[in-house]
Amino acid sequence: SYELTQPPSVSVSPGQTARITCSGDALPKKYAYWYQQKSGQAPVLVIYEDSKRPSGIPERFSGSSSGTMATLTISGAQVEDEADYYCYSTDSSGNHGVFGGGTKLTVL
Amino acid sequence: QVQLVQSGAEVKKPGASVKVSCKASGYTFTSYGISWVRQAPGQGLEWMGWISAYNGNTNYAQKLQGRVTMTTDTSTSTAYMELRSLRSDDTAVYYCARAGSPNFDYWGQGTLVTVSS
Repeated sequence: SYELTQPPSVSVSPGQTARITCSGDALPKKYAYWYQQKSGQAPVLVIYEDSKRPSGIPERFSGSSSGTMATLTISGAQVEDEADYYCYSTDSSGNHGVFGGGTKLTVL
Repeated sequence: QVQLVQSGAEVKKPGASVKVSCKASGYTFTSYGISWVRQAPGQGLEWMGWISAYNGNTNYAQKLQGRVTMTTDTSTSTAYMELRSLRSDDTAVYYCARAGSPNFDYWGQGTLVTVSS
């Protein structure tokens, strides 16, 4: 079955740029979405269709996709950005969704 | 404002079934789909499937095929997810999320399903 691969953890100091990657064979043809999940809470959409930012999401969150890799970038990460981040996309048929394994972002 | 409100926590025995509801408000229910996502304790998110609220078409995760059924009731703007033949590894928080463009922009609060003898 189709898989999306993320690094288990990323760590940065406050104010630094955090980059979280997501690799998958269908990403050249399918959009990537990114979700932030804080402990005990439902996920929140932070990037959709590779690079679009929903209203209310800070400008420091951005997304890009090239080839088989999508990247979530947090420019000037804040302590409040500490969370688990998940990428999501679909297989090449578009009929089955899949989440990456998640990346724990530490900002300290 | 868009809201998805899910039913309460459930405790089930192995082999039983569970049906979780997700009541939508604040938007035209039939203009979007609903996806179901679960999260086992300490684990990541798992996509379970999707249903079109417009025509009832469904797509299910292959590993759940035959055990899961997703339905909608457009008269009450409510989506349902039924999981049968429950096992201990089905213990998880189950979320519904609005599916469309953009995908999963609104989520329910989650429903904890515990499978234990």
